[in-house]
Amino acid sequence: QVQLQESGPGLVKPSQTLSLTCTVSGGSISSGSYYWSWIRQPAGKGLEWIGRIYTSGSTNYNPSLKSRVTISVDTSKNQFSLKLSSVTAADTAVYYCARVSYYDSSGYAFDIWGQGTMVTVSS
Amino acid sequence: QSVLTQPPSVSGAPGQRVTISCTGSSSNIGAGYDVHWYQQLPGTAPKLLIYGNSNRPSGVPDRFSGSKSGTSASLAITGLQAEDEADYYCQSYDSSLSGSDVFGTGTKVTVL
Repeated sequence: QVQLQESGPGLVKPSQTLSLTCTVSGGSISSGSYYWSWIRQPAGKGLEWIGRIYTSGSTNYNPSLKSRVTISVDTSKNQFSLKLSSVTAADTAVYYCARVSYYDSSGYAFDIWGQGTMVTVSS
Repeated sequence: QSVLTQPPSVSGAPGQRVTISCTGSSSNIGAGYDVHWYQQLPGTAPKLLIYGNSNRPSGVPDRFSGSKSGTSASLAITGLQAEDEADYYCQSYDSSLSGSDVFGTGTKVTVL
């Protein structure tokens, strides 16, 4: 079955760019009616949607993060990536990648999640 | 700041029924967008529990049920079990936020 795995540095310095990759295994990132998202969760807090990308390359971002976020896809590697620039301590969180599937007459839901990766912003 | 509001916590004894509300607005739930629910066990990634307001993915016990009315949605857990102790999040789409997916504030369910 399809699995997602996040990878990237666990420690990023303030003002630098956070870069994470999500590798999709067990299926093609280009197949089906899916899009691909990033979500984050600060310790002890709730989930925050960061953005999504379609395999066409079209993107949508959380307005509160839009000026700092870039999500891209590499279909040849079956991966999609997140870049968050000018990070501060407030960006410290567990970052999840997820697949979003369309359910007939039931909308789009996050049906498969990666295990998450902790990213700490600190000097 | 989430646009979907949930109670911070609910609790119940084993076997009891608990409900979690998810209150939105006319730009998300009230606009007809579907509500989905996720269960997050301690230290793990969220898991899809209910999709499309009231549908259970394969493998989710029928103790979990969802509903939607107006600008709100609800998740009910009947026959509460110890393994149901977790955080629960609702999620929908908001047309006023540049097409954003939005999550609820989250509810901690405690089994007494």
